[in-house]
Amino acid sequence: AQKVTQAQTEISVVEKEDVTLDCVYETRDTTYYLFWYKQPPSGELVFLIRRNSFDEQNEISGRYSWNFQKSTSSFNFTITASQVVDSAVYFCALSEPSESAGKSTFGDGTTLTVKP
Amino acid sequence: KAGVTQTPRYLIKTRGQQVTLSCSPISGHRSVSWYQQTPGQGLQFLFEYFSETQRNKGNFPGRFSGRQFSNSRSEMNVSTLELGDSALYLCASSSEVGGPGELFFGEGSRLTVL
Repeated sequence: AQKVTQAQTEISVVEKEDVTLDCVYETRDTTYYLFWYKQPPSGELVFLIRRNSFDEQNEISGRYSWNFQKSTSSFNFTITASQVVDSAVYFCALSEPSESAGKSTFGDGTTLTVKP
Repeated sequence: KAGVTQTPRYLIKTRGQQVTLSCSPISGHRSVSWYQQTPGQGLQFLFEYFSETQRNKGNFPGRFSGRQFSNSRSEMNVSTLELGDSALYLCASSSEVGGPGELFFGEGSRLTVL
């Protein structure tokens, strides 16, 4: 069975600090997809990134970067020079093609608070 | 491009009643999924519809049901409401081009059961 663990329930940082959100996953499939979503206080989940299991390249998008390591089943997310607008709940998710595409297993989320 | 639209945004029901929630996916998206979000259980997959057929179902009792129409719009229904059904119900659509893709979520329907 697939499982996603986000061990950090809450993280609080001061603006401009770097912060890393951890995500560990479990799956029996060799092909799978990993995602990060952001849920601001308004409630709507917003997609941040998708990574498939065959692409271990790290990715950087502005202040965001992702570190995918199959050896440790981790897909960590780093925000550099955090800003107050980064305050939100962040979810890591896993989807397997053996299941239907619309089914993702989500972690419990990490609530990030960035203080000015 | 219009996003995923869910109605109603907020509703209050009493135990034993039933409720119907509606979701209009992004134009061209044929997959619609429903998720329940609660503080205790997090985001839980309810079911997914594709071309009017239920393609996958989560671990929820039969009181939770759904359907999809030919225009891809979807509804979910919860009958005989219980207090524990109080939650944010999120609908998501996806295009599925190139494998499981990003889910586009609506703002959700917040259900309170009294």
